[in-house]
Formats: sequence, C-alpha cells, structure tokens
Amino acid sequence: QKEVEQDPGPLSVPEGAIVSLNCTYSNSAFQYFMWYRQYSRKGPELLMYTYSSGNKEDGRFTAQVDKSSKYISLFIRDSQPSDSATYLCALYGNNRLAFGKGNQVVVIP
Amino acid sequence: DSGVTQTPKHLITATGQRVTLRCSPRSGDLSVYWYQQSLDQGLQFLIQYYNGEERAKGNILERFSAQQFPDLHSELNLSSLELGDSALYFCASSGQGWENTIYFGEGSWLTVV
Repeated sequence: QKEVEQDPGPLSVPEGAIVSLNCTYSNSAFQYFMWYRQYSRKGPELLMYTYSSGNKEDGRFTAQVDKSSKYISLFIRDSQPSDSATYLCALYGNNRLAFGKGNQVVVIP
Repeated sequence: DSGVTQTPKHLITATGQRVTLRCSPRSGDLSVYWYQQSLDQGLQFLIQYYNGEERAKGNILERFSAQQFPDLHSELNLSSLELGDSALYFCASSGQGWENTIYFGEGSWLTVV
C-alpha cells in the first residue's frame, strides 16, 4: 500500500460546479496536510495547509481533514476555467513531504 | 515567483552522461528538498538538506547525489544517465520549521536521449 493514495483520474466539470478531490494515507506520522496546484508542469504552488482535523476555508476552497479515517479532501466551489490544473495532496511528517499522484481538473466554460 | 531558482531550465543529454542541477533557495530558507516528477510516477521525494546536512532521504538512486553548500545553494548530481531518468526535477525550500511552508522552483527539464 502506498503512503498516499490519490486516484489520478482526470476530472472534467462545467463552470460553476463543485470540484471534489480526496486522498487517503496510511502513515500516522503525517501530521500536516496540504493541497498544491500545478499548472502545465510548472512548479507546484501551495493552495492550503492544515494540521488539525476539521474544515478550513479560503475563499472558494475548503480543505477537510479526518485524521481518524486518514482521509483528506479539497472542495472548490463555483469552479472557474482558471481552476483548470493538476491538484496534488501532500502530507508532511518525519521531515519530508509526500505527494499524491495528482488529479487533473478541467473546468469547461 | 516563489523565490526558488533552478538552473538549467532545460537540459538534453545522452545516456551514460552526468549532469548537475542547481538550486538557490529562497532567501533565509535553510532547508532544500529535491523531487523528481515523471508522467507515470508523480512527484517523488529524493532528498532533503537542512543547513548543509542531509536530513531525510527518499527514493534517490545510488547514481544520484546531492549536497548543500555553506551559502545554502544545493546541487543534484545525476550520473550514468538512463532514458528512464528523463523527468522534471524540482527543488523546493522552506524555513526552520515546516510551518514556514515549502516553496517550489520552476523545475529543470531533463531529457536523456
């Protein structure tokens, strides 16, 4: 079992829809949880991070963490074409950052 | 602009050759991380340095090595290159604690022919 599982399947949604992405993990050493956005093989940029179970909102983005289930989610409300990118979950623990494989999201105008 | 600078941006080289990728972290950041990203493997952690010392090691091949210099810049050396080493190599940096967040450079595209 991989440390971080993120179903890498592409996701196409119409503009204005809610995008829902998730990752699962197996190692309890991961204590900090992040979502990165990556455009066209550019460097990943940090979208959100949290270290506690529960929800964290930032504009149209909501990150959700359930440590007991080892499950994290990212929701994008009112999706825009500019949200089209690859989204990677990332977990930090033991001095390293482990990434999921990423989901390519396409928002269709 | 994340403040992390990587050179070269693109590199084409032949199998069996050796290349060096360079990274300058954000000003003041003590930690440098190296990642490899290929189409089928996603982002793979290679190695981390903190203030000149190796701190954590991931899936780094023995043909690869890295170091962080006193001025905090870092180099990733890739030797005896194989076709499968073709990938995007990212450097990232962070401050003293993870809470300072990890910032990525734009990557170095390596193509081995």
